[in-house]
Amino acid sequence: QSALTQPASVSGSPGQSITISCTGTSSDVGSYNLVSWYQQHPGKAPKLMIYEVDKRPSGVSDRFSGSKSGNTASLTISGLQAEDEADYYCCSYASSRRVFGGGTKLTVL
Amino acid sequence: EVQLVESGGGLVQPGESLRLSCAASGFPFSRFSMDWVRQAPGEGLEWVSYISSESSTTYYADSVKGRFTISRDNAKNSLYLQMNSLRDEDTAVYFCARETYGLGGSFDIWGQGTVVTVSS
Repeated sequence: QSALTQPASVSGSPGQSITISCTGTSSDVGSYNLVSWYQQHPGKAPKLMIYEVDKRPSGVSDRFSGSKSGNTASLTISGLQAEDEADYYCCSYASSRRVFGGGTKLTVL
Repeated sequence: EVQLVESGGGLVQPGESLRLSCAASGFPFSRFSMDWVRQAPGEGLEWVSYISSESSTTYYADSVKGRFTISRDNAKNSLYLQMNSLRDEDTAVYFCARETYGLGGSFDIWGQGTVVTVSS
């Protein structure tokens, strides 16, 4: 049960846009439109930011958007703000399991 | 307020057992599938186990299969994780999480986590 592949770190300046990729396989990301993204600040529980590839839960800023192409999903954060600095995890449904990515640390410069 | 509160964590020796609980409130617990997710110190999130709303279906990560058992009591609005034959590598914060209604596969509500430490 291999984890999804994410870059270890990304960075950007306030106001800029960044994109975090999440690469899986044809058994998970590629087979289901059930990719989700989570934001986690240190010592806190994860927070759902995107579900079903590109849907935002109520209360999540529209600066966060998701997409998918083939076996790779992406999270884009536009208009970076200081409070966006956190760890981000993707997750894919895969029938009898769920699989997370290794996480990406976002630094706002 | 929609809430999940975990309890039952602690320090145990390798080979011992522990039972985690998760108390749900503020939503119709019996209608939602639930999961356990863990996070080892300094590491990423790892999915552990899933249970359907009526307990008819359960799934486990390979790393815990045969050692952990997920269960729920809808009358008590509670989710459980029985952990046997604990290993050092099971040391983590354990979160309970609610799957989104409908297609599922995403976790829209999380507890604050309970710490499990396995060490001799």
